[in-house]
This record gives sequence, C-alpha cells and structure tokens, in this order.
Amino acid sequence: ETGVTQSPTHLIKTRGQQVTLRCSSQSGHNTVSWYQQALGQGPQFIFQYYREEENGRGNFPPRFSGLQFPNYSSELNVNALELDDSALYLCASSPGTPHRSQETQYFGPGTRLLVL
Amino acid sequence: SQELEQSPQSLIVQEGKNLTINCTSSKTLYGLYWYKQKYGEGLIFLMMLQKGGEEKSHEKITAKLDEKKQQSSLHITASQPSHAGIYLCGADTSGSARQLTFGSGTQLTVLP
Repeated sequence: ETGVTQSPTHLIKTRGQQVTLRCSSQSGHNTVSWYQQALGQGPQFIFQYYREEENGRGNFPPRFSGLQFPNYSSELNVNALELDDSALYLCASSPGTPHRSQETQYFGPGTRLLVL
Repeated sequence: SQELEQSPQSLIVQEGKNLTINCTSSKTLYGLYWYKQKYGEGLIFLMMLQKGGEEKSHEKITAKLDEKKQQSSLHITASQPSHAGIYLCGADTSGSARQLTFGSGTQLTVLP
C-alpha cells in the first residue's frame, strides 16, 4: 500500500473523445508526477506538478494537461484521444520539493485506458 | 539508442537460483531507482541509489551503482516464486527526482 489511489481503474473511450483521470496522493505530498506506460514498455514521464503549478514536462503534446488541487488530489486530462493513447496511466507522489532527489516517488495502481 | 537500457528483457529461472538484472544509462546519473511491477499494476519501490559504489540490500535483493560506468545491477539471491514480476530501473538524469526515465523492464519468471 503506497497511499496513492487512482480512479477509475479501467476506462474505454473512442478516438476524438476527452478523458479525465484522477489521483489522490498521500497527505503532505506536494509533488505529483504522471507517467504513461504503453504495453511492454517502461513508464514515460508526462509532467509534474508542485503546489498546483506545472513544474516539468516530458515529450507530450499540449492536449495532455493537468491540474493539482490543495487537497493533494490531481487530474490528468487528455483531449482529442488517439488510438496510441491507449496505455496504463500512473501517478506518483512524493513529499518535499521537486529537486530533493533523496526522496522517492510512490506510485498509484494506475488507470488502464483503451481508445477504440 | 535508448537513454536507459535494461537487460535482459526477460528471464526465466528455477526457484533457488541467483540472477542479475542490469541497467545502463547514456547520461549522467543523479539517482537510480529500482521498482517492481506486477503485470498491469502500479510500481512498488525497491531501492534508491545515489552515490557511486553504493550498495543496498533488502531481504534477498541487492542493488549496486557504478557511477563511472553509469550502470546499476540488481541481484536476487536464491530466487522464489514471489520474486516474479517486471523489474524496472528508473534514472534521474536531470537532477529532478520526480522526472524519471525508465528502462523497458525485465520480465522475471521463477519456476517452482
């Protein structure tokens, strides 16, 4: 148990639709990162939020956006879904600031998204 | 080539055997993280290594970091079926531990 929860567990959408995935971090965890994991691959960093502001972004287009709320919850929004967006989406939270490298990230169980 | 190479891609061992998984980075490592994942589930943190020559152990799993070679190895002694899963190394190559680059993973099967 990492104390990080995600919802929903599974989701099916069609191409062109929009989706919102949710993550609830441990209390006190100010930093949340989102990753996309395609089948058979390692997770790829999407972006990171610290105190409700985006604080780093991977190689993902603007149709991937996020929000972080004061209650340690966060969202990942994906617009104009494409077939290649089908993947396991993981959120990871950690305490402290984004640059304290001695602290690790705690991952949630993920949301499996299928785009048809 | 990939920024983080993991080998082997898959491994099948008999219960009780030792095994090693390797992770090599093409960039300077600020930190190296090992995670275990059951198929389709979240990542379970195993160990974090930061300093060259650092070695950490947890139960029968030992991880080492060779900073000069930008490599890390994960060694499992006397493997058990409970060790089965996907092992992922994640590298901090930017100085921000929240933006990890992951290898493709090693699928470990332990035969009883």
